[in-house]
Amino acid sequence: GAGVSQSPRYKVAKRGQDVALRCDPISGHVSLFWYQQALGQGPEFLTYFQNEAQLDKSGLPSDRFFAERPEGSVSTLKIQRTQQEDSAVYLCASREVYGVNTEAFFGQGTRLTVV
Amino acid sequence: GENVEQHPSTLSVQEGDSAVIKCTYSDSASNYFPWYKQELGKRPQLIIDIRSNVGEKKDQRIAVTLNKTAKHFSLHITETQPEDSAVYFCAASGNNFNKFYFGSGTKLNVKP
Repeated sequence: GAGVSQSPRYKVAKRGQDVALRCDPISGHVSLFWYQQALGQGPEFLTYFQNEAQLDKSGLPSDRFFAERPEGSVSTLKIQRTQQEDSAVYLCASREVYGVNTEAFFGQGTRLTVV
Repeated sequence: GENVEQHPSTLSVQEGDSAVIKCTYSDSASNYFPWYKQELGKRPQLIIDIRSNVGEKKDQRIAVTLNKTAKHFSLHITETQPEDSAVYFCAASGNNFNKFYFGSGTKLNVKP
């Protein structure tokens, strides 16, 4: 595909359910990021991968959040025992090269609603 | 950590007028400042960026200025058009460019 693809686009989860959000980055992009965007706010950093290595997970709000990128391509963000405050748009972005300010391309996001 | 503040939160201008959005940052180590445009329900898209070794950058109707001493940077849109209506986010990152700190966004409305 031409851009970063995220699925599902929308997810409704009952409080306490586990969810998994998928990100397909642009082919060949080394860097992959996850951001959380609450309604009316700017994106907030969650975690960063260089290939399969998770180099920074300082933004993950709690140990209920887990991200992986086992083969250095597709990434999954998993949220266990979802809570209402987890409701947000989860954005994935990828960039071609590590540590260089080339453009980060964002996906359209997954809107998670916890009820 | 870095703290990026953005003003105003909403901005309404008449078509053809200029629009200015301002951001401040707290970490003097930040050296890369992108601006993203996000239309309703769509992905953020980079519209312009600037590095700390440059004071100003222009691309057609869009320009960004950076004042490292004062730790603030601004987006300038001239001859605004209705299709410029969107939410604009500023961001800052440091040497590794691997973590962006975003402002809270400015909703720009260009009235025809």
